[in-house]
Amino acid sequence: SAVISQKPSRDICQRGTSLTIQCQVDSQVTMMFWYRQQPGQSLTLIATANQGSEATYESGFVIDKFPISRPNLTFSTLTVSNMSPEDSSIYLCSVEVGAAADTQYFGPGTRLTVL
Amino acid sequence: KQEVTQIPAALSVPEGENLVLNCSFTDSAIYNLQWFRQDPGKGLTSLLLIQSSQREQTSGRLNASLDKSSGRSTLYIAASQPGDSATYLCAVRPSGSEKLVFGKGTKLTVNP
Repeated sequence: SAVISQKPSRDICQRGTSLTIQCQVDSQVTMMFWYRQQPGQSLTLIATANQGSEATYESGFVIDKFPISRPNLTFSTLTVSNMSPEDSSIYLCSVEVGAAADTQYFGPGTRLTVL
Repeated sequence: KQEVTQIPAALSVPEGENLVLNCSFTDSAIYNLQWFRQDPGKGLTSLLLIQSSQREQTSGRLNASLDKSSGRSTLYIAASQPGDSATYLCAVRPSGSEKLVFGKGTKLTVNP
């Protein structure tokens, strides 16, 4: 398994500002994932972050809006830029572990409210 | 495009009852299927992982089955307890992909 922490756990932000969310894992992992869970909706993958390379974004998500850093094998950040109320969501990071790297474990999430 | 559906969206049962949560997916080309639990305001806890070659997995009072050809999975919870109250999410990993495709979840309430 993996123990994942996220900071901040929650925040309330003003429209037009940016927030950087941190994700820390207790072991080295190759791939880290960032998901968004909008109110009443399921989780949607934003991007996949590999250490030493550019993040890969899913359809509908762009680097200018959600820049990601992956400086080492245990840490990643997601920035939500130029926020609007539609960005109010829970943002979760996850990692793959296991003998076949096939089980995903999730952090506790960051609950973001944009006013 | 893979789509995952969970029925029912919400379920309320008395304590002690056995129950089944359903998950269906549109594309049978999956690598595995994972069931998660999400408590209010919290992250996800992995409950069970079923590989595409497996039919079921068990952990304590939980049993998950997989019928890949029909695109269905069920999560069986035996002797439900109030502490089981949470939202249960089903997610499939498509073949050749690292990402998970999630259903919207079933919100379970177990009444004492």
